[in-house]
Amino acid sequence: AQKITQTQPGMFVQEKEAVTLDCTYDTSDPSYGLFWYKQPSSGEMIFLIYQGSYDQQNATEGRYSLNFQKARKSANLVISASQLGDSAMYFCAMREGPDYKLSFGAGTTVTVRA
Amino acid sequence: NAGVTQTPKFRVLKTGQSMTLLCAQDMNHEYMYWYRQDPGMGLRLIHYSVGEGTTAKGEVPDGYNVSRLKKQNFLLGLESAAPSQTSVYFCASSTGGLSSGANVLTFGAGSRLTVL
Repeated sequence: AQKITQTQPGMFVQEKEAVTLDCTYDTSDPSYGLFWYKQPSSGEMIFLIYQGSYDQQNATEGRYSLNFQKARKSANLVISASQLGDSAMYFCAMREGPDYKLSFGAGTTVTVRA
Repeated sequence: NAGVTQTPKFRVLKTGQSMTLLCAQDMNHEYMYWYRQDPGMGLRLIHYSVGEGTTAKGEVPDGYNVSRLKKQNFLLGLESAAPSQTSVYFCASSTGGLSSGANVLTFGAGSRLTVL
């Protein structure tokens, strides 16, 4: 069964607007972590934001925020004030179990329009 | 501060040939991972290691072998390459541990492998 589901293959957003990328996950482990990574066209994987399953508040990092809804098992990424440099593939990932390995979703391509 | 270095960055193989991808990290990380990335499928875990001398299978281990003889190096081997192994391979490492920061995987730049 798919552990991480990203249902939006691609999205367009106007510069300076906000965009929400959907991510749902499936786990029975009470302790887990949720991550978002960015992959620009150059190919490198860039860590953006982390949310632990026991964290009470939603994580924020600059223009990135994670909308964590534990009961719904969703961890959506919100990018505020989009910039042209935000055009990239975005991956949601989950860490569960003792070996700290991540399971990734299929990714969402974001294209920011001027 | 190099982080995670993968070599080679590009390689073209013929079916049946063998090769080894090298991953080296200079951050004294305990945990190391090999992923492959294919269009529409995200990153899938091939093998991983939780410390020097240890290896474990991930989600898609068939056709690959790994070794972790030294803490800083994690090698991924293809004994008899197949066209289905055409992919971009990423190595990653982390310290492990319970704090949120320690869980972050640091990735290498990727290695693009084509099997003809």
